[in-house]
Amino acid sequence: EPEVTQTPSHQVTQMGQEVILRCVPISNHLYFYWYRQILGQKVEFLVSFYNNEISEKSEIFDDQFSVERPDGSNFTLKIRSTKLEDSAMYFCASCGLASDTQYFGPGTRLTVL
Amino acid sequence: GQNIDQPTEMTATEGAIVQINCTYQTSGFNGLFWYQQHAGEAPTFLSYNVLDGLEEKGRFSSFLSRSKGYSYLLLKELQMKDSASYLCAVRGKAGGYNKLIFGAGTRLAVHP
Repeated sequence: EPEVTQTPSHQVTQMGQEVILRCVPISNHLYFYWYRQILGQKVEFLVSFYNNEISEKSEIFDDQFSVERPDGSNFTLKIRSTKLEDSAMYFCASCGLASDTQYFGPGTRLTVL
Repeated sequence: GQNIDQPTEMTATEGAIVQINCTYQTSGFNGLFWYQQHAGEAPTFLSYNVLDGLEEKGRFSSFLSRSKGYSYLLLKELQMKDSASYLCAVRGKAGGYNKLIFGAGTRLAVHP
């Protein structure tokens, strides 16, 4: 069964450093998302992406964040200058044209020191 | 504003039935989703309702009343592996690219 994959599973970085989180959505899906979940809190929407552009972004998704689909398979989230409060689990999700369901990847646990 | 409420914690006995409620107040509505999340793992899709009524999928069923802004997830024949958080999520607008708004989740503990 096809699934969303994410790398790395765990990333530790120093405050102020740039990180890139990578996702490979399900191959025939067209809609892509990033969500985050701070430990013990709810899943929060960051950004949605369709047809090579951002469809919607939340207030969390400020100028420090960017997304890219550099080739036909990868979907990346970049945080330019990480802050302590960026420590969270970051989930990528994708959705197909014929389906209403978003399928989530296993997540990347980001720890900012 | 957007508000999704569900109980924080529930406990139940192996083999029993449990109902997890969710109420929502969102600026639009185009579908309600239930996900299961084990600690440290990704949300896994369980069910989806966009019309009023009951959707049944094996041991899991989900109900929706749009006029009441209310849904529930029913888990039957509980197993120990059902111990997890159950997340209620609403999609506010039509279209696959639209975001999900999640509740805080209900942590279910199943005991022997």
